Amino acid sequence: DAGVTQSPTHLIKTRGQQVTLRCSPISGHKSVSWYQQVLGQGPQFIFQYYEKEERGRGNFPDRFSARQFPNYSSELNVNALLLGDSALYLCASSLGTANTEAFFGQGTRLTVV
Amino acid sequence: QKEVEQDPGPLSVPEGAIVSLNCTYSNSAFQYFMWYRQYSRKGPELLMYTYSSGNKEDGRFTAQVDKSSKYISLFIRDSQPSDSATYLCVLRGGNKLTFGTGTQLKVEL
Repeated sequence: DAGVTQSPTHLIKTRGQQVTLRCSPISGHKSVSWYQQVLGQGPQFIFQYYEKEERGRGNFPDRFSARQFPNYSSELNVNALLLGDSALYLCASSLGTANTEAFFGQGTRLTVV
Repeated sequence: QKEVEQDPGPLSVPEGAIVSLNCTYSNSAFQYFMWYRQYSRKGPELLMYTYSSGNKEDGRFTAQVDKSSKYISLFIRDSQPSDSATYLCVLRGGNKLTFGTGTQLKVEL
């Protein structure tokens, strides 16, 4: 029984580059949310998608974008990378937008140099 | 002022101790209260959730919510070295989850 899977697990990018992170939710889950976790802090909400539509957005610049595909998988894109974008990016899936139980993947650790 | 305040620790206790982890919050709109556990370099995993004031027990874990004081707690009985992790209080209002900073717990033999 596969949980939430994220790829890649680790990534090193140079300032100014662009990055795409991927997430596959638990089978049957239609909602995917993205979070950024800086070392020593709790995760910060970036986006929520449900049925391919954006249902929520956190306080992040327009350099961050995301989309959800018909199979409910999702991609998070970050353009013009800054050193401060270095973090663990977490994807969480849940049955619906109002479902309390969110299940997290192991995350993608992004390092910007 | 942060929406959710959580003592970052670290908290070190001997094996078998009772652990108390706490968070305070400021927004009355939060309706669901959860505790997640996060091991180093892993994603958070859900331990417990509740939506009402009072206590909820699951094995060695008890979650307590006091909405009037905007205070939530997680108690761990008979703590084990495998409980060593960061514990995050998580509150939900609307569609997004709001996390505390996490309390790092170490249970020593």
